[in-house]
Amino acid sequence: NAGVTQTPKFQVLKTGQSMTLQCAQDMNHEYMSWYRQDPGMGLRLIHYSVGAGITDQGEVPNGYNVSRSTTEDFPLRLLSAAPSQTSVYFCASSKSRATNEKLFFGSGTQLSVL
Amino acid sequence: AQSVAQPEDQVNVAEGNPLTVKCTYSVSGNPYLFWYVQYPNRGLQFLLKYITGDNLVKGSYGFEAEFNKSQTSFHLKKPSALVSDSALYFCAVRDNRGGGGNKLTFGTGTQLKVEL
Repeated sequence: NAGVTQTPKFQVLKTGQSMTLQCAQDMNHEYMSWYRQDPGMGLRLIHYSVGAGITDQGEVPNGYNVSRSTTEDFPLRLLSAAPSQTSVYFCASSKSRATNEKLFFGSGTQLSVL
Repeated sequence: AQSVAQPEDQVNVAEGNPLTVKCTYSVSGNPYLFWYVQYPNRGLQFLLKYITGDNLVKGSYGFEAEFNKSQTSFHLKKPSALVSDSALYFCAVRDNRGGGGNKLTFGTGTQLKVEL
């Protein structure tokens, strides 16, 4: 059982480039989300989805797009990378949207924008 | 708005000694509280959660946490620390009423270092 799989593990971009961070889960989870982790700031929610075809913004959505065409996949797109987007990105999923559910995290993508 | 404070950036403890990692929270409704652990170059792993009921919650790897409503705290504890417990620990809170995408608000993390 793979759980939550993120690719790539590392990525270096130049300012203005675009890219997609991939996230897939094989647990048939309803809820999926993207967080970014920055030193001294904990994890902050970027976007989330409560099911296929349904997405919404978190607390730091600017500069990112998401889509959820299947239950399994939830890619995060950087439209025009900026140095402020240098961070570690985590995809996380839970069985349902219920507030008492625990999250399962991927192993992260370390992104550097030069 | 909901928030979490982890007042200690780092906690050092000798192996075999008890450990405590502190967490206080603020939330409008009733809190759902979580502890996650992050080992180097890995994603976060769930340790335990408080939803309702007994104030002492037991979780993975011998960890437990005590919910104190009057002090709005949810400190993580372990009776006897192991070197392998060394990791980054995050406390997180969610308002039980949901909203905001069921956002889980994380603290800034506490680095636990257990030494021989």
